[in-house]
Amino acid sequence: GAVVSQHPSRVICKSGTSVKIECRSLDFQATTMFWYRQFPKQSLMLMATSNEGSKATYEQGVEKDKFLINHASLTLSTLTVTSAHPEDSSFYICSASAASFSSYEQYFGPGTRLTVT
Amino acid sequence: GQQVMQIPQYQHVQEGEDFTTYCNSSTTLSNIQWYKQRPGGHPVFLIQLVKSGEVKKQKRLTFQFGEAKKNSSLHITATQTTDVGTYFCAGEDLFQRAQKLVFGQGTRLTINP
Repeated sequence: GAVVSQHPSRVICKSGTSVKIECRSLDFQATTMFWYRQFPKQSLMLMATSNEGSKATYEQGVEKDKFLINHASLTLSTLTVTSAHPEDSSFYICSASAASFSSYEQYFGPGTRLTVT
Repeated sequence: GQQVMQIPQYQHVQEGEDFTTYCNSSTTLSNIQWYKQRPGGHPVFLIQLVKSGEVKKQKRLTFQFGEAKKNSSLHITATQTTDVGTYFCAGEDLFQRAQKLVFGQGTRLTINP
């Protein structure tokens, strides 16, 4: 149980275009979903936290208008990178958590590698 | 803001040797979690520690949470090649928004068979 999927797994886009990444909890209802960014051989940096039906909470330094997050249902959250630039190239990982879990562990999706050319 | 430091950054061992990674938070934690990320993969939850001084074991892995709830360690006994990966600790600050995890930099473990 506790499987999280992410789509697409890889995407290459041109500078100035927008890219949408989907994160789905497949076998549980995710009370909360998280979006992280990971640079090569570095740690995970939390970008934002989203709860179903409410606005996402962004971490300091993360542009809300650039990284649009929509948490439309208890099983789906999307991250849209708007007007992408090469510096946005990174590994984006979502995770999901549920209040029904015995502890507040997060289950991670497989990640999306974004390359902006 | 809260910082979580993890050492060492890299560790290379011979198969069969033990391995330990240490995690220190600048603030008191409500809980600490450990994750493992295999090369090319995504983080996988290993364990959560909540109580001061808590020690938990999973087969060859031993996890400890410090008395002050600001530090933690992961010890692997007799490493195997399947232990290869990066181990991250992630702390939830006692006074911050619940479920917000701050990850350490990770310790990348490589093993010589």
